[in-house]
Amino acid sequence: AQSVTQLDSHVSVSEGTPVLLRCNYSSSYSPSLFWYVQHPNKGLQLLLKYTSAATLVKGINGFEAELNTSETSFHLTKPSAHMSDAAEYFCVVEGNFNKFYFGSGTKLNVKP
Amino acid sequence: ETGVTQTPRHLVMGMTNKKSLKCEQHLGHNAMYWYKQSAKKPLELMFVYSLEERVENNSVPSRFSPECPNSSHLFLHLHTLQPEDSALYLCASSQGTSARGRNEQYFGPGTRLTVT
Repeated sequence: AQSVTQLDSHVSVSEGTPVLLRCNYSSSYSPSLFWYVQHPNKGLQLLLKYTSAATLVKGINGFEAELNTSETSFHLTKPSAHMSDAAEYFCVVEGNFNKFYFGSGTKLNVKP
Repeated sequence: ETGVTQTPRHLVMGMTNKKSLKCEQHLGHNAMYWYKQSAKKPLELMFVYSLEERVENNSVPSRFSPECPNSSHLFLHLHTLQPEDSALYLCASSQGTSARGRNEQYFGPGTRLTVT
């Protein structure tokens, strides 16, 4: 069975400093993994996806994530936070039969 | 703009009303989803349709009734809701294929539902 754990419900960083949002997954096979971002009162937007190619995946807005199969992690990073990055971020693993398993979300706060 | 639209964007309804939420996707996808997003709760999958057939119903109360007349449209019919049903209802679509790397979901902007 597939599951996702986002280790931090809230992360606060200063503008211009690095961002790290942590995600661990559980899967009985090599899964597809995704990160989504949700700005207030908006739908979810795909940031990036891992699909069995390179383990380092680059996404939009300068975000990237690296798959670590030994630690079953797929952490999201960005070298320098911008105020517009303040949002909620969801880590997602794909299961069977068109099902997706969502983490509980991490709210990123960016301080000026 | 993700190619998934939802109407209405906001809805206020009384507990005895009947209303419907509409979702339309312009991506040629074969799978469509309804999710409920409540404050301080994880995203809850409600229904999954693949090729217009319901493949998942996550123990959703019968006061929520989905309808998928074709692969581009998905409805959620609402009847005698409770205040705790107030939430953001999100629609999504995906390719609906087992081919890896092609099955990411695209979300609509959501309908903010308030039950009074």
